[in-house]
Amino acid sequence: AQTVTQSQPEMSVQEAETVTLSCTYDTSESNYYLFWYKQPPSRQMILVIRQEAYKQQNATENRFSVNFQKAAKSFSLKISDSQLGDTAMYFCAFMKPGAGSYQLTFGKGTKLSVIP
Amino acid sequence: DAGVTQSPTHLIKTRGQQVTLRCSPKSGHDTVSWYQQALGQGPQFIFQYYEEEERQRGNFPDRFSGHQFPNYSSELNVNALLLGDSALYLCASSLVARGDTQYFGPGTRLTVL
Repeated sequence: AQTVTQSQPEMSVQEAETVTLSCTYDTSESNYYLFWYKQPPSRQMILVIRQEAYKQQNATENRFSVNFQKAAKSFSLKISDSQLGDTAMYFCAFMKPGAGSYQLTFGKGTKLSVIP
Repeated sequence: DAGVTQSPTHLIKTRGQQVTLRCSPKSGHDTVSWYQQALGQGPQFIFQYYEEEERQRGNFPDRFSGHQFPNYSSELNVNALLLGDSALYLCASSLVARGDTQYFGPGTRLTVL
């Protein structure tokens, strides 16, 4: 079974600064997907960024980028130019694609607070 | 383009009762997954439906059951409610051909007293 570990329960960052959230995972699979989801106080789980394991290039989405280290099984999220609206819970998730299901396995989350 | 919708928003039940939660997938999606998110935890996979059948199930008892309708909408049923069933229940939809990305609804907050 796959496991996802987020070792930082809470973090804070000053507005306009950069912050990095950590995630490690454990799997014996070679083909998989990794995700970062954001869950603001409104509860809606929002997809932030996605990475395919077979791609060596790190994914980027505007101010969000990842550092994917496949050998180390590490998948960190960097948020640049932090904004107040980035305040939320951030969840790292793993998916092993294949016949039968596309099930997400989540970490416990990191609560990020952006300070004005 | 309508996103994933869930109803109701909140629900309060007592132990032993039964509850039904509803989900309509994002337009164009045909696969629905259900997750349970306890307070302070990440979501846990309950089961996934495609073509009106349960494709895979997580580590949840048979008290949790589901259904998918021809229009791809889905229901989650929980029987004999326990206090520990209190949680946020999230529905996510995807397109089986692009099953790698799931889009979530706003969730239903279930409180069991």
